[in-house]
Amino acid sequence: SQTIHQWPATLVQPVGSPLSLECTVEGTSNPNLYWYRQAAGRGLQLLFYSVGIGQISSEVPQNLSASRPQDRQFILSSKKLLLSDSGFYLCAWENRDNEKLFFGSGTQLSVL
Amino acid sequence: AQTVTQSQPEMSVQEAETVTLSCTYDTSENNYYLFWYKQPPSRQMILVIRQEAYKQQNATENRFSVNFQKAAKSFSLKISDSQLGDTAMYFCAFMKAQGAQKLVFGQGTRLTINP
Repeated sequence: SQTIHQWPATLVQPVGSPLSLECTVEGTSNPNLYWYRQAAGRGLQLLFYSVGIGQISSEVPQNLSASRPQDRQFILSSKKLLLSDSGFYLCAWENRDNEKLFFGSGTQLSVL
Repeated sequence: AQTVTQSQPEMSVQEAETVTLSCTYDTSENNYYLFWYKQPPSRQMILVIRQEAYKQQNATENRFSVNFQKAAKSFSLKISDSQLGDTAMYFCAFMKAQGAQKLVFGQGTRLTINP
């Protein structure tokens, strides 16, 4: 069966520090991968998606970047965090057979 | 661009009652999918139910069912025999049928099931 792993679960970082959040998927190949952000009490906003290795599409201009170095690995990064980068970040993968998205457990990022 | 609107920020019902959550959407697409996701206090996003726009029959998953009205662009979720474990944020979401399948979410409805 397919599983998605996302870590860390919680992260507290100072302003100006770098960021690296990692997401990996098991049990499937060539999935579409997504990074979403959820502000407190709000819906989810799509940040990046990838349809293959090295292929990244950005939905909103921001201080973040994404990379897909391997088929089932999706990384969210920043060189210098801003206070506004705080939020709950969710990785998701898409089952292309039935067009369903499944989410990881999320990372709560607090930038202080 | 597609938009999804959930007009009920919060709802509260007694255990075992039936509750209906509303969702409307706006799109010019003809082929698409609609979803309801549940986010409990753990914040894990859990897929509850999916509806294909080309299907007239409403989707059902055990106690969860939808009322899909394509012409009205309405997609409500009905929870029957509600349980304490149904307490969560519920998000309605839209996805086009072609291209990378990007979910567009509503703002969510906070549902509380009272004992």
